[in-house]
Amino acid sequence: DIQMTQSPSTLSASVGDRVTITCRASQSISRWLAWYQQKPGKAPKVLIYKASSLESGVPSRFSGSGSGTEFTLTISSLQPDDFATYYCQQYNSYPFGFGPGTKVDIK
Amino acid sequence: QVQLQESGPGLVKPSETLSLTCTVSGGSINSYYWSWIRQPPGKALEWIGNIYYSGSTNYNPSLKSQVTISVDTSKNQFSLKLSSVTAADSAVYYCARSRDSYGYFDYWGLGTLVTVSS
Repeated sequence: DIQMTQSPSTLSASVGDRVTITCRASQSISRWLAWYQQKPGKAPKVLIYKASSLESGVPSRFSGSGSGTEFTLTISSLQPDDFATYYCQQYNSYPFGFGPGTKVDIK
Repeated sequence: QVQLQESGPGLVKPSETLSLTCTVSGGSINSYYWSWIRQPPGKALEWIGNIYYSGSTNYNPSLKSQVTISVDTSKNQFSLKLSSVTAADSAVYYCARSRDSYGYFDYWGLGTLVTVSS
């Protein structure tokens, strides 16, 4: 199985900050990576697919990059609605796997 | 707009079988892949398995001995059965859609909490 890790596990930031979250895969997954945002008590919502493609309706302040084993999610200017937990997910091979999550909270 | 809704018992006894159904509305179950994903309280997401509308399945090896996923295209529903449950199977269970066999999840249900307890 491909193992997914994320760093940091928690990130404290202020509105307007540029935020970067890193996701690493234990082996190459090409660009088959998605990023999700999850708020408490809610289902995850996809933000980015195929490493850098923005899902329809997602604000352009979200962007993704990377390939192979290292990926990043960047929020260019953090907004109040962005305080949440973010997960990466590989869909290069079965079983699909999620990272452990990065919680973005208010500084 | 596609909507997914999980349904089933919120409490299951240890050693029994957990059964959930996901009803798809606003679109056809045909031509997509349908997954079950779970999340224990305060923990990360775990993919359980998926099914194509034709009935072909893929399961997470960590759960394969316990899991059966089936589809009923006439009702636009798919289902999860997880046998011999323990407290470790207590989680919020989500159903989700992907466009491809190797695909990300673009639509999710709201999730349903299942607690395993006597």
